[in-house]
Amino acid sequence: GENVEQHPSTLSVQEGDSAVIKCTYSDSASNYFPWYKQELGKRPQLIIDIRSNVGEKKDQRIAVTLNKTAKHFSLHITETQPEDSAVYFCAASMGGATNKLIFGTGTLLAVQP
Amino acid sequence: DADVTQTPRNRITKTGKRIMLECSQTKGHDRMYWYRQDPGLGLRLIYYSFDVKDINKGEISDGYSVSRQAQAKFSLSLESAIPNQTALYFCATSEHPGETQYFGPGTRLLVL
Repeated sequence: GENVEQHPSTLSVQEGDSAVIKCTYSDSASNYFPWYKQELGKRPQLIIDIRSNVGEKKDQRIAVTLNKTAKHFSLHITETQPEDSAVYFCAASMGGATNKLIFGTGTLLAVQP
Repeated sequence: DADVTQTPRNRITKTGKRIMLECSQTKGHDRMYWYRQDPGLGLRLIYYSFDVKDINKGEISDGYSVSRQAQAKFSLSLESAIPNQTALYFCATSEHPGETQYFGPGTRLLVL
């Protein structure tokens, strides 16, 4: 079945630096890749997603890149701020009538002021 | 996301007790999911339902059961709770399978 690996498990950066979180997936048929942010004590919320027909997508300070050949995708956060501190989850899905999201194990990002 | 609600938000129970966690949504989505979150293990799927008559096991369904009472309601039951079921439980919904999911606020369960 589909498997998603996520690295690193923890990441500490200085405010203003960039942060990169990487995920790899096993099933080449996967075609939808969302990223969720979970603040302490809160629910996971979608922050950005990308589909397999696109190589990169940006939304202000966050961007996601997808390399279908290598089966990996990454989350990039630029100019990090303390409020970016959270756990970030990647996920992958093949879509279709019966498919579901497979989540990575999460990355705890700490932005040091 | 106030469109997906869970009750209770916190629960302490004892080993061997039966417990039910409830999820309700006003988003009009057919698809609903139950996840368990443990530190370092991410979100693991327990059960999911793509419509009222459809129930499917996820990767960790043992010890759990579900009921889809209506499009808007999806309940998770622990038949006989055990301490290693102590975790944070999330309900989620989606409009389409395998796509964007909207999570409830979570239920923190402690089994003594």
